[in-house]
Amino acid sequence: EVQLVESGGGLVKPGGSLRLSCAASGFTFSSYTMTWVRQAPGKGLEWVSSISAGGTYIYYADSVKGRFTISRDNAKHSLYLRMNSLGAADTAVYYCAGLYSGNYSVHFDFWGQGALVTVSS
Amino acid sequence: DIQMTQSPSSLSASVGDRVTITCRASQSISTYLNWYQQKPGKAPKLLIYAASSLQSGVPSRFSGSGSGTDFTLTISSLQPDDFATYYCQQSYSTPPWTFGQGTKVEIQ
Repeated sequence: EVQLVESGGGLVKPGGSLRLSCAASGFTFSSYTMTWVRQAPGKGLEWVSSISAGGTYIYYADSVKGRFTISRDNAKHSLYLRMNSLGAADTAVYYCAGLYSGNYSVHFDFWGQGALVTVSS
Repeated sequence: DIQMTQSPSSLSASVGDRVTITCRASQSISTYLNWYQQKPGKAPKLLIYAASSLQSGVPSRFSGSGSGTDFTLTISSLQPDDFATYYCQQSYSTPPWTFGQGTKVEIQ
């Protein structure tokens, strides 16, 4: 069974930092591009960042570029998101998701349960 | 960036109704369009990928169509379990991969 389990969320003050982790199991982690998607309270889904299977290709949304760093450890089947200079607009549930990429489709195949990050003084 | 616009933002319907949600892209995305269902407090779930392919395990009352800029998600006969928020998402070319703003399907 595919499982993605996020951890590391919590309350942080404006300007602070936090590191999210996502532990993967039930699939060949090293073969999948992995992604973070967030959802602010009562709002829609926002793609945040993606990292290719081997870590060569990394992409960020403009809203987090320069502040967030995505990384992965294939030996530990884990995905990470380092978040710096956090502001109120970063308050959201952060989902870890596995991306299927084929000839005719690219889609988020499976998702974790989410980790809540609250930025408040 | 490619913008995705869903309509309506919300709708009220009854069990057994046929429901249609539309999604429009700001530029052609071929068939790189996916649909997700999200229930309160839960992660999104993939329903349809590549505009019209049904994800394994998803009931056949869900269907998708379209290509280019205009897409549709149809629920042929709404069931109690289908009351949720639905999002379209484009995955054309390299990121950013954008979502529509969502359509909340409520009980009438």
